[in-house]
Amino acid sequence: AQSVTQPDIHITVSEGASLELRCNYSYGATPYLFWYVQSPGQGLQLLLKYFSGDTLVQGIKGFEAEFKRSQSSFNLRKPSVHWSDAAEYFCAVVLGAGSYQLTFGKGTKLSVIP
Amino acid sequence: GAVVSQHPSRVICKSGTSVKIECRSLDFQATTMFWYRQFPKQSLMLMATSNEGSKATYEQGVEKDKFLINHASLTLSTLTVTSAHPEDSSFYICSASSLRDLYGYTFGSGTRLTVV
Repeated sequence: AQSVTQPDIHITVSEGASLELRCNYSYGATPYLFWYVQSPGQGLQLLLKYFSGDTLVQGIKGFEAEFKRSQSSFNLRKPSVHWSDAAEYFCAVVLGAGSYQLTFGKGTKLSVIP
Repeated sequence: GAVVSQHPSRVICKSGTSVKIECRSLDFQATTMFWYRQFPKQSLMLMATSNEGSKATYEQGVEKDKFLINHASLTLSTLTVTSAHPEDSSFYICSASSLRDLYGYTFGSGTRLTVV
């Protein structure tokens, strides 16, 4: 079945430490890939997206993600985490080719230790 | 940037009443609107997709007579929860995209619905 997997439900990192949030997808073709962040009780903000081209994508707030076709992955990274990065992070995909429906992973909650 | 204003942010209603949630695109034409439901500590589940001027397409398992979606203009879409019950309590989020940016989804800030 087609799916988006975020294996880590909750991650805790110290402020200043590096971060990697994992995302894997299971589709026949390469979908369009997105990372969103959600603060408590808020909507979603786009961090970055990948459609094609350079597999390393730069986003807002110092985030980047790398698309690896061989691993069907689109992991989100940040070299140095700030306390304000504490939030819920969602990986999402769109199948493309006329499909416009976002399918979300279950999310990873990030906690940051001062 | 594109902004979607969603109101109300919180609403408490009694069982059996109806509640309307509005999403307005402030600076772009929202040709497509998506409505999601999010349970506590869970992901967003797509409820329905609506294109301006057309009937909404509901996902499997979503009662279209209970969750009425109207998308009569390019800047406004509404979700009405009819005859609300406590199990309808949830966080509802809208998302809009335009013809100019089909994959540029702009999300509203969400509505916390509590049915008592």
